[in-house]
Amino acid sequence: DQQVKQNSPSLSVQEGRISILNCDYTNSMFDYFLWYKKYPAEGPTFLISISSIKDKNEDGRFTVFLNKSAKHLSLHIVPSQPGDSAVYFCAASNQGAQKLVFGQGTRLTINP
Amino acid sequence: NAGVTQTPKFRVLKTGQSMTLLCAQDMNHEYMYWYRQDPGMGLRLIHYSVGEGTTAKGEVPDGYNVSRLKKQNFLLGLESAAPSQTSVYFCASSTGTGVLFGPGTRLTVL
Repeated sequence: DQQVKQNSPSLSVQEGRISILNCDYTNSMFDYFLWYKKYPAEGPTFLISISSIKDKNEDGRFTVFLNKSAKHLSLHIVPSQPGDSAVYFCAASNQGAQKLVFGQGTRLTINP
Repeated sequence: NAGVTQTPKFRVLKTGQSMTLLCAQDMNHEYMYWYRQDPGMGLRLIHYSVGEGTTAKGEVPDGYNVSRLKKQNFLLGLESAAPSQTSVYFCASSTGTGVLFGPGTRLTVL
């Protein structure tokens, strides 16, 4: 049973526009959520996180929104840049940042 | 500060062979993890450790063993490799507030 789901395998966005990546989860015990970015042949790199006590966290061009009632989080990237082209994974945990459960990933392509 | 390193980067095995993947971190992190990444499946936790001398099963532990004899090293062993273990393996370490990943090991079992 997939506890963390990213239902869009891929997303294509024009450079300069907003990219919105979505993630749903089923386990109401999750209290910490993270987004990772992955380039080919590299390990995932941490992007941004949010605790369940918040509904928004912002870091430069990246903002994560959490809707606990809907068990949904989203990552907004604005403006999108070509270097943002990568696979994005959302992850969740009920033990801080330990034992992360990952979604399937969304491949984001930024078109010039 | 090298972060999280993994050895080897690539490996091809025949069915039934054994091997050990080595993970090392120089950040004095207590927690270490082994994940595997397969197409369409995201990253799935194989085994993890919350400190030197401890190990625990993750989501997909069957066919793997691990050891954490030293705090900085976390070894993943395959005793009898199977084609279903063809995957990219990522090691990670954490202080509890952030998880850092290694570059990965691409393993092919023929």
